[in-house]
Amino acid sequence: DAGVIQSPRHEVTEMGQEVTLRCKPISGHNSLFWYRQTMMRGLELLIYFNNNVPIDDSGMPEDRFSAKMPNASFSTLKIQPSEPRDSAVYFCASSLIEGGNNEQFFGPGTRLTVL
Amino acid sequence: AQSVTQPDIHITVSEGASLELRCNYSYGATPYLFWYVQSPGQGLQLLLKYFSGDTLVQGIKGFEAEFKRSQSSFNLRKPSVHWSDAAEYFCAVGARNFNKFYFGSGTKLNVKP
Repeated sequence: DAGVIQSPRHEVTEMGQEVTLRCKPISGHNSLFWYRQTMMRGLELLIYFNNNVPIDDSGMPEDRFSAKMPNASFSTLKIQPSEPRDSAVYFCASSLIEGGNNEQFFGPGTRLTVL
Repeated sequence: AQSVTQPDIHITVSEGASLELRCNYSYGATPYLFWYVQSPGQGLQLLLKYFSGDTLVQGIKGFEAEFKRSQSSFNLRKPSVHWSDAAEYFCAVGARNFNKFYFGSGTKLNVKP
């Protein structure tokens, strides 16, 4: 299995632009998570989906952030408009809740820089 | 409230020395516990996990961790550190059939030659 795939790996954009981050979870997994990592705040859970349905979006910082999961193999995290304080590494993770096992597998991350 | 505390932000050890990274958790339900490692510029990789049973769990790369319910701790250990172990280590807690993890703030490990 290729693991969790994220694209792009690096994104540099200007303030006010729309940014879309993409994630392909591991095939067969039924849960997907978006995290943000910064030096100041560490690793934060933004939102997670179970069977393509958003379950908890309490970590989404503002209305500028939105996430979708149109099917089991694809999710997007969109920031519109972007701001310099959104600069961070964004991770996607997936897991299969089965028999109580809920280990999360992480993608390599997208490093976002907003100028 | 659920939380994970990693009291050491940075740790430096000499290559070949033993290592212990501390993790304390606060969780209302029976916890599932995890240690992840993150090398620079990489995602998080699972080192080991505890769900139930033997409280001493073995992981990859020679790491082990011990679950101590009475102390609400899940400390990570390695008897002899290698230079390649330099990375950031995260402790996390979850629960059976519950998706959400709570991560600690991480401990950065430096290894001196």
